[in-house]
Amino acid sequence: RKEVEQDPGPFNVPEGATVAFNCTYSNSASQSFFWYRQDCRKEPKLLMSVYSSGNEDGRFTAQLNRASQYISLLIRDSKLSDSATYLCVVPLYGGSQGNLIFGKGTKLSVKP
Amino acid sequence: EPEVTQTPSHQVTQMGQEVILRCVPISNHLYFYWYRQILGQKVEFLVSFYNNEISEKSEIFDDQFSVERPDGSNFTLKIRSTKLEDSAMYFCASRENNEQFFGPGTRLTVL
Repeated sequence: RKEVEQDPGPFNVPEGATVAFNCTYSNSASQSFFWYRQDCRKEPKLLMSVYSSGNEDGRFTAQLNRASQYISLLIRDSKLSDSATYLCVVPLYGGSQGNLIFGKGTKLSVKP
Repeated sequence: EPEVTQTPSHQVTQMGQEVILRCVPISNHLYFYWYRQILGQKVEFLVSFYNNEISEKSEIFDDQFSVERPDGSNFTLKIRSTKLEDSAMYFCASRENNEQFFGPGTRLTVL
């Protein structure tokens, strides 16, 4: 069974802190990876796609370690608005298309 | 910015009743999906749809479920005889290239 595992948290951090989440996946054939954020009782929103070793977008950096089959998400200079659940997502069949397998998510709470 | 829309936002029904959840995917997208999320649990894949037919379905998507694209814009999920355990958020998604975009969801409550 193909799974995605995440530390559920919660991570409670002060504003301005740097926080990192890890995610492990079981399907070694996976070629693409996604981080979504989900606010309480809302839909998942795509935060970042990762197709090679990593990706960076402003304060957010995703890194991929294929040998160890884990992906990380780093948030620098965290804001109150970053408070959400961060979902690690991997396509079911390992390719870049198709149905998604979601982790249970890591909850982040940024405090003033 | 184009987005996926879903109606209704909340549906309450009695056990055994049929419900139809509606979605309007982003207009130029070709791949459509339904997912569900039981409260406090992870998002789970139900079914994918391409070229007017189901391309993949999960073990959750049993004979009580069906999907349809009745016209050029709507994409529906029907549950024929709802059970208590069908209570969940149901998300529709559509895909462009490799990225799936989710609608705001329909909260289904089965009493």
